[in-house]
Amino acid sequence: AQSVTQLDSQVPVFEEAPVELRCNYSSSVSVYLFWYVQYPNQGLQLLLKYLSGSTLVKGINGFEAEFNKSQTSFHLRKPSVHISDTAEYFCAVILPRGFQKLVFGTGTRLLVSP
Amino acid sequence: GAVVSQHPSRVICKSGTSVKIECRSLDFQATTMFWYRQFPKKSLMLMATSNEGSKATYEQGVEKDKFLINHASLTLSTLTVTSAHPEDSSFYICSARGLANTGELFFGEGSRLTVL
Repeated sequence: AQSVTQLDSQVPVFEEAPVELRCNYSSSVSVYLFWYVQYPNQGLQLLLKYLSGSTLVKGINGFEAEFNKSQTSFHLRKPSVHISDTAEYFCAVILPRGFQKLVFGTGTRLLVSP
Repeated sequence: GAVVSQHPSRVICKSGTSVKIECRSLDFQATTMFWYRQFPKKSLMLMATSNEGSKATYEQGVEKDKFLINHASLTLSTLTVTSAHPEDSSFYICSARGLANTGELFFGEGSRLTVL
C-alpha cells in the first residue's frame, strides 16, 4: 500500500523568503504525485502534479516541485512567498492504473508573516 | 478546467434530523466520486467511493447506514447524514474523477455541517 509522509505540520516563514515543504512517499510501484492547497473553509485546489517525464514540475502561484525517485520525495518549493500563500498544503499519491484511491499526507500549514 | 460544486456550503441542523449534501461535476462526467471528512486541523479521511449506478464502497469504520451515498448520474452524487448528532459536525468534501482518469481528482468547495 502507498503512504505519504509530511514531516512538518507547520512551517512559519517571513514574506518574500523562500520555502520548501517536504513530502516523502512509500510505494513498491510507480505512482502519480500531487500537491494540493486548501485555504480556510474551502476545498482543495491542485497546485501541481507529476505523472511522468521531467522531474521538475511547475505549478500555479509560482510553486514548483521536484520528483526524486531515489529519495522517494516530492518536495514543494517557492522562491518567494506572499502573505496570501498562508494555507494548508497536502501531498498525495495515487497508483496510475485502475480506479485507485488518492492517499493524502497529514498536511503542512504554511504560515507567512510580514 | 474541471469544476466540482458542492451544496450547501454551510448547514446547521438539529440533532436527529437528516441532511443532504450534493456534489456536482459541472463541466465533465465523473465516473467516480469520493467523499471525504475533514476534522479541524486534520487531513482528509476518505469515507467512501461511489461509482455511477452502483453501490458505494465504504471505508472501514464508516457507517453506511449513517452516511448514505447515492451516485445516480455521471454528474451528481449525494451524501445524506441520517439522524445527525453533534459528533457528525465536520467539514465534508467531495471529489470527482473524470472519464479520462489521469489520476487527478477535482474537489468541491466543501460543506461545513454543524449539528446542534
